Amino acid sequence: EAQVTQNPRYLITVTGKKLTVTCSQNMNHEYMSWYRQDPGLGLRQIYYSMNVEVTDKGDVPEGYKVSRKEKRNFPLILESPSPNQTSLYFCASSLSKSKGQGFYNEQFFGPGTRLTVL
Amino acid sequence: GNSVTQMEGPVTLSEEAFLTINCTYTATGYPSLFWYVQYPGEGLQLLLKATKADDKGSNKGFEATYRKETTSFHLEKGSVQVSDSAVYFCALSSLYNFNKFYFGSGTKLNVKP
Repeated sequence: EAQVTQNPRYLITVTGKKLTVTCSQNMNHEYMSWYRQDPGLGLRQIYYSMNVEVTDKGDVPEGYKVSRKEKRNFPLILESPSPNQTSLYFCASSLSKSKGQGFYNEQFFGPGTRLTVL
Repeated sequence: GNSVTQMEGPVTLSEEAFLTINCTYTATGYPSLFWYVQYPGEGLQLLLKATKADDKGSNKGFEATYRKETTSFHLEKGSVQVSDSAVYFCALSSLYNFNKFYFGSGTKLNVKP
């Protein structure tokens, strides 16, 4: 089954304790991305990756790190979590498709990771 | 800059009612536009898309038309069902960097039997 998996699904941690949220996809997609979802703000893009070893910042990258050493995996790292990073996190992957003039991505989302930082 | 504005919810409708969820956007050039749906406890699923002006995206009875004149991409459905209850997100990706996405704040739809 084609899917994007995230682990853990739920995490409660304390301020300053490094954590990693894993994301894996089995669709051989080049593009992967991380979002956070907060009430009233929708989804905001944290980081994205166009391929192995190629990453770039989204709109809210502060306090997060990513790496893309393998095509299928795109972990999100919080080196020193703070309470304002309490949120629902989603990973997504996609293939780029041509639209004549330019390209677009049709994203497939993981089930989400609910993170609470105390 | 790029941004998406959606009508605030929640929207509560009776089964078989007509649905409109408004979405307007700000972007440079002609972005690609998307509607995603999020069912309780799940991730987002792509509902429909339109990649150029005047395109109409459609899926599962939902439709949205890319209107460059009004910079809008309103979601419509002629007859909603209880199973359509979910949160709906409008989103765009820039023409100049299609890897960057901008989402609206989401509109929760409640459909009563």
